[in-house]
Amino acid sequence: GESVGLHLPTLSVQEGDNSIINCAYSNSASDYFIWYKQESGKGPQFIIDIRSNMDKRQGQRVTVLLNKTVKHLSLQIAATQPGDSAVYFCAERTGGYQKVTFGIGTKLQVIP
Amino acid sequence: DARVTQTPRHKVTEMGQEVTMRCQPILGHNTVFWYRQTMMQGLELLAYFRNRAPLDDSGMPKDRFSAEMPDATLATLKIQPSEPRDSAVYFCASGSPAGGDTGELFFGEGSRLTVL
Repeated sequence: GESVGLHLPTLSVQEGDNSIINCAYSNSASDYFIWYKQESGKGPQFIIDIRSNMDKRQGQRVTVLLNKTVKHLSLQIAATQPGDSAVYFCAERTGGYQKVTFGIGTKLQVIP
Repeated sequence: DARVTQTPRHKVTEMGQEVTMRCQPILGHNTVFWYRQTMMQGLELLAYFRNRAPLDDSGMPKDRFSAEMPDATLATLKIQPSEPRDSAVYFCASGSPAGGDTGELFFGEGSRLTVL
């Protein structure tokens, strides 16, 4: 029978190039936006977060940009390496009770 | 090395059987989340707790799923009776260490459930 599954957006990037992964969110009341990396067979791993009152935050080789006007979040990875190959999820935290919900995910493939 | 521990890592069972998944959150974390990951739905939030109190379990099928925190070191997710459509990887995550405010959650390695 036909196999039906979630069609993950896939981004293929040459090793050494920069990667940009995008995410649209829905809840204007979210106070934190977070990026996670999930490698095959493992749980999601925190990369970086950004508070809703900021528009940019930098970490080691990663930068997160937040555009609240269009409800858009992006993750930039500088000098992408083979070890960056994984599925990347954006997540948002909402409410005083800190509910965290995840987006669909983007698969990043790094071409050596 | 503090981490979230989940058991069992793998479980194969037959339809109709009871399944219990366990999670030990990181000591000092006061929020615990249960997520289900499938190819069809991605990462779905099933339930979460703050200071052991259930805050939201709207993502969970109430007739067969139940989530509890008997104490601060143990969270359980139970399915009774299990069905083939429950086959998925179930993740537990904890967060909000005392004195901190961050969006970060720490995930376990997951429990892969297969219901035949």
